[in-house]
Amino acid sequence: RKEVEQDPGPFNVPEGATVAFNCTYSNSASQSFFWYRQDCRKEPKLLMSVYSSGNEDGRFTAQLNRASQYISLLIRDSKLSDSATYLCVVKEAGNNRKLIWGLGTSLAVNP
Amino acid sequence: EAQVTQNPRYLITVTGKKLTVTCSQNMNHEYMSWYRQDPGLGLRQIYYSMNVEVTDKGDVPEGYKVSRKEKRNFPLILESPSPNQTSLYFCASSPRWGGSDEQYFGPGTRLTVT
Repeated sequence: RKEVEQDPGPFNVPEGATVAFNCTYSNSASQSFFWYRQDCRKEPKLLMSVYSSGNEDGRFTAQLNRASQYISLLIRDSKLSDSATYLCVVKEAGNNRKLIWGLGTSLAVNP
Repeated sequence: EAQVTQNPRYLITVTGKKLTVTCSQNMNHEYMSWYRQDPGLGLRQIYYSMNVEVTDKGDVPEGYKVSRKEKRNFPLILESPSPNQTSLYFCASSPRWGGSDEQYFGPGTRLTVT
C-alpha cells in the first residue's frame, strides 16, 4: 500500500459544481496534513492545512478523519480557475518529520 | 518580494557534463530542500538542509550533491548527469523544520540530459 494515495482523476466538472477529493494515508502516527495546488508545469503552492477539527477557507473545506486515515477536500461553486492538480501531503511523526507527497488529483472545471 | 528563485529555468545538456542549478531564498528560512518531479512518481525529495552547513539525504540522492554555505543559497550539483536525471526540479524553503510550516517553492528547473 502506498503511503499516501489519491485518485488521479481527472475530475471533469461544470462551473458551479461541488467536487470532493479524498486522500488516504497509511501511517496512523502521521502528524500534519496539507493540501497543495499545482498548476500545469508550475510550482506547488499551499492551499490549506488540515486540522483535526476541519477547516474552511471560502469555497474550500478540508477535513481529517484519523480513524479511517483519510483527509478530504471539498470545493464548492467551482470556478474555471480551480482547474489544477491537488496534492495531498502528510507529515510523518517522529524525528524525521518527513513530508510524504501524493501523486495528485487532476481537476478540470469546464464552462 | 518574498520568493525562492532558481536558475536556470530550462536546461538541455549532454551526459557527463557537470552542471549546477542555483536556488536562493530571501525569507531568512532555515530549512531548504530539493525535489524532483516525474510523471507517475510525484514529488521526491533529493536532499534537504536544516540550516547552514547541515545537509542530509532525501529519498533519491544518488547522482546529486548539495551545499549550504550561506542561509539563503542551496545549489544542486550534478557532477556527471545521466539521462535518468531528466526531470522537473523544484527548490523549496520553509521557516524552520519541526512545525507545520508552509513550503515555499521556486518556479522549477526543467532539465533534459541527452
